[in-house]
Order: sequence, then structure tokens, then C-alpha cells
Amino acid sequence: DSGVTQTPKHLITATGQRVTLRCSPRSGDLSVYWYQQSLDQGLQFLIHYYNGEERAKGNILERFSAQQFPDLHSELNLSSLELGDSALYFCASSEPFGQISTGELFFGEGSRLTVL
Amino acid sequence: AQTVTQSQPEMSVQEAETVTLSCTYDTSESDYYLFWYKQPPSRQMILVIRQEAYKQQNATENRFSVNFQKAAKSFSLKISDSQLGDAAMYFCAYASYSGGGADGLTFGKGTHLIIQP
Repeated sequence: DSGVTQTPKHLITATGQRVTLRCSPRSGDLSVYWYQQSLDQGLQFLIHYYNGEERAKGNILERFSAQQFPDLHSELNLSSLELGDSALYFCASSEPFGQISTGELFFGEGSRLTVL
Repeated sequence: AQTVTQSQPEMSVQEAETVTLSCTYDTSESDYYLFWYKQPPSRQMILVIRQEAYKQQNATENRFSVNFQKAAKSFSLKISDSQLGDAAMYFCAYASYSGGGADGLTFGKGTHLIIQP
């Protein structure tokens, strides 16, 4: 158990709809990262939040948005869904980078989104 | 931008044998971290081993070890005494130290490891 919690585990929806994925980081971690893994592909970095503020953006579509709340949980919002958005969405958290940091990301179990 | 390349989409090994998975990366930085993550059929991402670029000594974790060649920008994973439970997708990943973790990890496309009983 990584200590990172993601909900829901599975989600099936239709094209054009909007969904929200939720992530709770490990206790004490300030960073939350979102990744997308399409079928048989590697993980694509979407966005990083640190202590409530956006820190870095990757290949995130304009239809997608995220936020991190004061209690440090994060939500990834996916709107106007298309068939190609079907994927496994991972959340990960990490300890702050610094001299004692290992650089490791701790991953949740992922949210599998199926768009029909 | 950093890139990570895994040139072996799939590898197969007999149980109890040794297998080596390849990874190369491209970076202009001198301080960074390298990782191997395992993704079994459950899809959970599990850290296998980690290497800090400033350390010359290769990391080892039980049956897992790496061959880190900084000048060649190569980071291979050796699995000794392969077990059926090692069957999974293996991802090589890079993290920049200078960015303070802003960009997280950059992953390769993965190698599917099959263990033959």
C-alpha cells in the first residue's frame, strides 16, 4: 500500500460527458502529480500541484483541468470526453525535493476511465 | 527536455535465469535520479530500484541490480533468478534534481517481461 488513495477505481461514461477523479496523497506529502496511461503505453505527465499551487504542466489537454485543495487532496476534471480519453489515470505524490529527498513518486492504484 | 528510451518492447526469460532490460536517456543535467518501476497485471506502479546520478556505485535490491553508465547515459536492470512473480511491464524513469521535482518522472515506453516456467 503506497498510501495514495484514488477514487473511483473504475468509471464508465459516454462521449461528451464530464468526470472528476479524486486523489489523496500520502500523509505529509505536498506534491500531487497526475499521469495518463493509454492502452499499452507509457505514462504521460499531465500536471503537478505543490501545496495548492500549479507547479508544472505536461501534455494536458485544455479540456482537462486540475486543482489541489487546502487539505492537499487533488481532483482531475475531464470534460467533453472523447473515445481517446479512455485510459488509466494515475495520481502520485512525493516528499519535497531536497537533500533528503529520494525523488521517488508514490503511486495510487489508478482510475480506469472508459468512454463509450 | 529529457527523454527515456527502452528499446526492448518485450523480453522473455526462463524461470530461474537472468535477464537484463535496457534503458538509455538523454539529458544535459549532471544531477538526477533514475528509477525502474514495475507494473504487474494489477496495474499498480511499484518501485523496483533507484539510482542517484552522483553515486558511482550501482544500486542493488536483492535479486535486482542496475548497471549505471553515466557517460553513456545508460541504465540497465538485471534480474537474477527470475521468478514467475517478476512477470510485468517494467518502466525506466528519470527525474531531474535541479527542477525540484516540478516535472515529476519522465518514463520510457516500457518493456513487457515474460517469465517462462
